[in-house]
This record gives sequence, structure tokens and C-alpha cells, in this order.
Amino acid sequence: AQSVSQHNHHVILSEAASLELGCNYSYGGTVNLFWYVQYPGQHLQLLLKYFSGDPLVKGIKGFEAEFIKSKFSFNLRKPSVQWSDTAEYFCAVRNTGFQKLVFGTGTRLLVSP
Amino acid sequence: NAGVTQTPKFQVLKTGQSMTLQCAQDMNHEYMSWYRQDPGMGLRLIHYSVGAGITDQGEVPNGYNVSRSTTEDFPLRLLSAAPSQTSVYFCASSSGGYNTEAFFGQGTRLTVV
Repeated sequence: AQSVSQHNHHVILSEAASLELGCNYSYGGTVNLFWYVQYPGQHLQLLLKYFSGDPLVKGIKGFEAEFIKSKFSFNLRKPSVQWSDTAEYFCAVRNTGFQKLVFGTGTRLLVSP
Repeated sequence: NAGVTQTPKFQVLKTGQSMTLQCAQDMNHEYMSWYRQDPGMGLRLIHYSVGAGITDQGEVPNGYNVSRSTTEDFPLRLLSAAPSQTSVYFCASSSGGYNTEAFFGQGTRLTVV
């Protein structure tokens, strides 16, 4: 069965620091990949998604992620974080052709002003 | 656009009580699912449906019941609430095709005392 690992459970950064959150998945077939963000007290919002094509995908709010098939990874990056990026970030994977999303355990990001 | 609507947003139950969490979507999506979110565990799939009249169990189905009589609605029933069911519940829907994204509701925060 598909599984997703997010190795960073808590990350604390200062404003303007660069961010990289790791995400690895287990299934080696064709997958769809997602990053979701959950701001405090709010629901999940889609940051970005990868279906096919260019492995470097750009999302909202300056986030981007790179799909590296050989490493089963889909790491999230942002060159310069802001205080408003304080949130919990979830990586999710879906085997193509199926609808079930498998989520990682999430990474809580705290950005100090 | 209403998207995915969940009610109620907050609920407190006593152990042993039953209740139904409502989920409705207006996007004519075939696929709907219920997740629970617990600290440090990410989102785990409870039940899902690939269309009206078809439901199946996810990762953590015990203590929950679902039915799908219409495309729009996918209620989640707690048969006899237990403190272990204290969680935040999210409903999601997607169109069911290839390369599609899931849309999430606002969540229901349930406390069982």
C-alpha cells in the first residue's frame, strides 16, 4: 500500500529564510502528487499539484516543488518565507487511476517575525 | 461556488451518543471521502464512495457508517461515540477522472466527552 513520509515534523524559521520540506512516497508506479496547507483553524487548501510533465511545479504564494521520480520525492520549497506562512503542510500522493489520497503526517512550520 | 459544505462546524457529544456529520458537494463529483485529522497522524481515510450507492472502507472505518444515496451527499454516522473519535473530520470530493484534484470541506471539530 502507498505510504507517505514527511520527515520534518516541526520547522522553525525566521522571516526571509529559505524553506524546504521533504516528502517521500513508497509506490513506484505513476502517481499524482500534492501539497496542501492548513492555516491555523482553517481547512486544507491546495498549494500545488503534479500530474505529469515538467517535474518542477509552481504553486500559489511563491511555493514550488520538484518531483524526482528516482528518489520517490516531492519536496516543497520557498526561497523566502513570511510570517504568514506559519501553517501545517501536508504532502499527499495518489496512484494514477485511483482516487484515494494518502497523506503524510504533516509538518508544522512556525515563522518568527 | 459552494464547493464542499460540511455541517456542523463544531460538535460536542457524550460517550455513547450517535450523530451524523453532513457533507454535500455541488460539483457533480463522483468520488467523495471522509478523513479524520489527529495531531501527528495527518489525515486518515475513514470511508469513501465512488458513486451513488457505492461505498467502501478506508484505513480507519471502525465506529463509522456511511451511505451514498445521491451524488451530492455523503453523510458520516457515528453509531456510538467514543472519546477516541474526538478529532477533526474533513469531507472531500473529486471528479473521479485522471489528473484531478480533491476539494475539501471546512471541517467538523468533534469532541466526545
